[in-house]
Amino acid sequence: EPEVTQTPSHQVTQMGQEVILRCVPISNHLYFYWYRQILGQKVEFLVSFYNNEISEKSEIFDDQFSVERPDGSNFTLKIRSTKLEDSAMYFCASSGTGFTDTQYFGPGTRLTVL
Amino acid sequence: EDQVTQSPEALRLQEGESSSLNCSYTVSGLRGLFWYRQDPGKGPEFLFTLYSAGEEKEKERLKATLTKKESFLHITAPKPEDSATYLCAVQGATNAGKSTFGDGTTLTVKP
Repeated sequence: EPEVTQTPSHQVTQMGQEVILRCVPISNHLYFYWYRQILGQKVEFLVSFYNNEISEKSEIFDDQFSVERPDGSNFTLKIRSTKLEDSAMYFCASSGTGFTDTQYFGPGTRLTVL
Repeated sequence: EDQVTQSPEALRLQEGESSSLNCSYTVSGLRGLFWYRQDPGKGPEFLFTLYSAGEEKEKERLKATLTKKESFLHITAPKPEDSATYLCAVQGATNAGKSTFGDGTTLTVKP
């Protein structure tokens, strides 16, 4: 069964450093998303992406965040200068035929900012 | 702003003891309501999508129903392996893919 994959599974970084989280969505999906979940809290939407551009972003997704689809298979989230409060699980998701189609989530990257 | 409230926060059942989880929502033009299962340290695992009031879907011991204000996830004769956090999420008509999640219900099924 096709699935979303994410790397790395755990990333530890120093405050102020840049990190790139990587995702490989399901191969025939066209819509991509990033969510985050701070430990013990709810899953929060960050950004949706279609046709090589951002479709919607939340207030969390400020100028420190960016997304990119550098090739036909990868989808990345970059945090330019990490803060302690960026520590969370980051989930990538993808859907096939539209934004209202079911979103399938990856296993997540645990980001720890020291 | 879309809102999702799930109850109860936690539910402990004996194996075989059926129950229901509630998801109340407010959204501007419901485009879809989603149920996911999440195990500790893992990503949400898709269970059901419901699009309109009156719709019902079933999978093994789980059945999801939808009204105009809430959704229920019914668990029939649960087993210990059903222990997990169950998440509800909605998408509104004005959202380009943004799913708003509830806090979840943590289900524990004792043998």
